[in-house]
Amino acid sequence: ETGVTQTPRHLVMGMTNKKSLKCEQHLGHNAMYWYKQSAKKPLELMFVYSLEERVENNSVPSRFSPECPNSSHLFLHLHTLQPEDSALYLCASSQEDRDPNYGYTFGSGTRLTVV
Amino acid sequence: AQKVTQAQTEISVVEKEDVTLDCVYETRDTTYYLFWYKQPPSGELVFLIRRNSFDEQNEISGRYSWNFQKSTSSFNFTITASQVVDSAVYFCALSAMDSNYQLIWGAGTKLIIKP
Repeated sequence: ETGVTQTPRHLVMGMTNKKSLKCEQHLGHNAMYWYKQSAKKPLELMFVYSLEERVENNSVPSRFSPECPNSSHLFLHLHTLQPEDSALYLCASSQEDRDPNYGYTFGSGTRLTVV
Repeated sequence: AQKVTQAQTEISVVEKEDVTLDCVYETRDTTYYLFWYKQPPSGELVFLIRRNSFDEQNEISGRYSWNFQKSTSSFNFTITASQVVDSAVYFCALSAMDSNYQLIWGAGTKLIIKP
């Protein structure tokens, strides 16, 4: 497989559930990102991982918990979410962390609905 | 402060018309990078172009062209002879040292091409 793959594509969960989003890249990139895309708002960077270490956490509530077990995989663990957390969650990767010489490669996202 | 403004929320044109998407940016850095991404209905953001602040040459790639004007802090994107497959949301983004090269995103312009 090439590019960035996200699973599941769609997820509906109750506020008391625990679920995880998965992201996988086989591009040999060293950096991976989680973004949140809500309707009519700019993309919000949530987490940045570089060489499997978290380098940025943009004031994201603790009900979102990222995990990067290796340079090819990134997870976002979800628990006790709120309806306002419903959004498209996008994973991206790049050659190096925030290297402006390269663009990011994005996955197709997970459409999350919290009920 | 760094900011990207895409004032056009939605544009609708008939197929084969030319269309220009506007992007205005703000930064105090003298070295910065500008990007355009396309987000089709499938969800993934597709990298289109990167331009650094020292290169004001306009670029053409097939039916796509970009006009970078530092004097007006704009980086506009024109699609010539639009096609239905061009329908998507288009995002402009800025990366500069002042924000640690984190991508600053515009709100996006939804482009609808009618057959």
